[in-house]
Amino acid sequence: QVTLRESGPALVKPTQTLTLTCTFSGFSLSTSGMCVGWIRQPPGKALEWLALIDWDDDKYYTTSLKTRLTVSKDTSKNQVVLTMTNMDPVDTGTYYCARISSGYTHGFDYWGQGTLVTVSS
Amino acid sequence: QSALTQPPSASGSPGQSVTISCTGTSSGIGGYDSVSWYQQHPGKAPKLMIYEVSKRPSGVPDRFSGSKSGNTASLTVSGLQAEDEADYYCSSYAGSNWVFGGGTKLTVL
Repeated sequence: QVTLRESGPALVKPTQTLTLTCTFSGFSLSTSGMCVGWIRQPPGKALEWLALIDWDDDKYYTTSLKTRLTVSKDTSKNQVVLTMTNMDPVDTGTYYCARISSGYTHGFDYWGQGTLVTVSS
Repeated sequence: QSALTQPPSASGSPGQSVTISCTGTSSGIGGYDSVSWYQQHPGKAPKLMIYEVSKRPSGVPDRFSGSKSGNTASLTVSGLQAEDEADYYCSSYAGSNWVFGGGTKLTVL
């Protein structure tokens, strides 16, 4: 059974760094074709892809936020960590981690329940 | 990378069919057979409904189908049911980038 769960602070102050952890089970991120991505959704707005790390430790970032994002994995712990620096109120939203299982074109087939992050002083 | 363009809303009566479009660029949708569609009910995580333009994951009803022509992908929901009322998002992989559409709210009248 595949599950993913996001964890991290619910509230961060402007200019702070956000660290989110995605803990997953039911698959291994060292399996060829396996990827974990991060997607966010501001309240009432659309989904936005942020970052992705694959089985080979290749990392990809959305162009507009590339300078603020870092994604990493700990295969032994079944965890993927996303850090986002210099948080701003516009970064408020629900942050999801999601899996791709068979290469980049297969879509995100399993998602975490999401974690709401509010940026406010 | 630019977001994909979707109509903000769509609607249909139970039993009818409705099609939602998703327009991208020649380097995105037009260049890869990697369009996915997601269904999202209020307060819930998105659910993968279609991947690689027209493939359905296990468990997704065959009432949901996908297609692509040029730079535009489409999701068709046939035999509309009340539980199909949700937001639908298209997404495309375009070589080191993933991009989502703005979402379409599907209303079952």
